[in-house]
Amino acid sequence: NAGVTQTPKFQVLKTGQSMTLQCAQDMNHEYMSWYRQDPGMGLRLIHYSVGAGITDQGEVPNGYNVSRSTTEDFPLRLLSAAPSQTSVYFCASSYSHVGGTEAFFGQGTRLTVV
Amino acid sequence: EDQVTQSPEALRLQEGESSSLNCSYTVSGLRGLFWYRQDPGKGPEFLFTLYSAGEEKEKERLKATLTKKESFLHITAPKPEDSATYLCAVQPNYGQNFVFGPGTRLSVLP
Repeated sequence: NAGVTQTPKFQVLKTGQSMTLQCAQDMNHEYMSWYRQDPGMGLRLIHYSVGAGITDQGEVPNGYNVSRSTTEDFPLRLLSAAPSQTSVYFCASSYSHVGGTEAFFGQGTRLTVV
Repeated sequence: EDQVTQSPEALRLQEGESSSLNCSYTVSGLRGLFWYRQDPGKGPEFLFTLYSAGEEKEKERLKATLTKKESFLHITAPKPEDSATYLCAVQPNYGQNFVFGPGTRLSVLP
């Protein structure tokens, strides 16, 4: 099992460009989520999904889109990149959508917007 | 509003010097409290889940405990390889999302 795989690991974007961060898990987990991690602020939830075809907003959703067409994949789209979106992004998955189980994280994508 | 704070922000220990990290939380109802370890440039790695006050979990030199308002991560006789950032997260009982604290950066010097 590869667990949770994120690509790319590093990315530099110009302001206004768009891109998609990829996330895939091979554990057949129902629940998937995206976080951003900024110094001193902890992990903040961007969007999450409790199953294929179902997504919802987290704490900081503005400027990001998600979709979940399969159980395995949960891509995060930046619509028009801004310097405030410079951050480290983590994708995570959990077995149960009702909670109580730990999250497994990918290795992260370090994004810089110039 | 659900909230998690952690203290200290950073902690420097000598090898073998035991200490504790604190995680304080406010949540309307607790489904679970989670501890993670994060190494530089890596994603968080799961350590423990605690579900109710009084519960304790141990793994090697780490022991996690839980009360109704806080959790402690006790590190006994730490080694340099225990150096990492330790994250605490709560999961409210009304949903499946996690609320993370900012973390404690631990350095263990040889």
